[in-house]
Amino acid sequence: EIVMTQSPASLSVSPGERATLSCRASQSLNRNLAWYQQKPGQAPRLLIYATSSRPTDIPARFSGGESGTEFTLTISSVQSEDFAVYYCQQYNYWPTTFGQGTKVEIK
Amino acid sequence: QLQLQESGPGLVKPSETLSLTCTVHGGSISSSVFYWGWIRQPPGKGLEWIGSVFYSGSTSYNPSLKSRLTISVDTSKNQFFLHLSSVTAADAAMYYCARQAFCGGDCYIDHWGQGTLVTVSS
Repeated sequence: EIVMTQSPASLSVSPGERATLSCRASQSLNRNLAWYQQKPGQAPRLLIYATSSRPTDIPARFSGGESGTEFTLTISSVQSEDFAVYYCQQYNYWPTTFGQGTKVEIK
Repeated sequence: QLQLQESGPGLVKPSETLSLTCTVHGGSISSSVFYWGWIRQPPGKGLEWIGSVFYSGSTSYNPSLKSRLTISVDTSKNQFFLHLSSVTAADAAMYYCARQAFCGGDCYIDHWGQGTLVTVSS
């Protein structure tokens, strides 16, 4: 089973600041990585798939990237509605697995 | 607009079988480009993929749960189902049904149900 390690566990940012979240895989993923946002009491929401592709309803301030086995989710200018927990998911290997999450909090 | 809705008992006794239904609204479950899956999340913890089913009935199960798990589909009712036997306290969680993109296997999840909380207690 592929282990996904997210860092940091929590991140304090001020509205308008840039936030960068990291997700590291134990093996190469061929860009088969997704990011989700989960707010309290809600189901997760797909933000990014295939490392850097964004569904049409996701704002452009969310972007994804990679460098080897490290993947990043960047929020270019954090808005109040972006404070949430973010999860990465690899789907290159079966079974698909998730990271443990990064909580983005208000500074 | 696609919507998924979970239903089933919120309380299950230890050693019994957890049974949930997911009803798909606003789209057909008989699609060749999606899997229909179950994911769970213990309170305050992360996400665990449980398994998925294709409209044909073909299934894929997480090895950690495979011995206790059955996932099935009823295309005539646009529903799919989860049965997890011999439950323990470790199975208490929010259970989500979801639509998974098909990319040669279980892929990313583009639609989620709102979730149903299952408690395991006698």
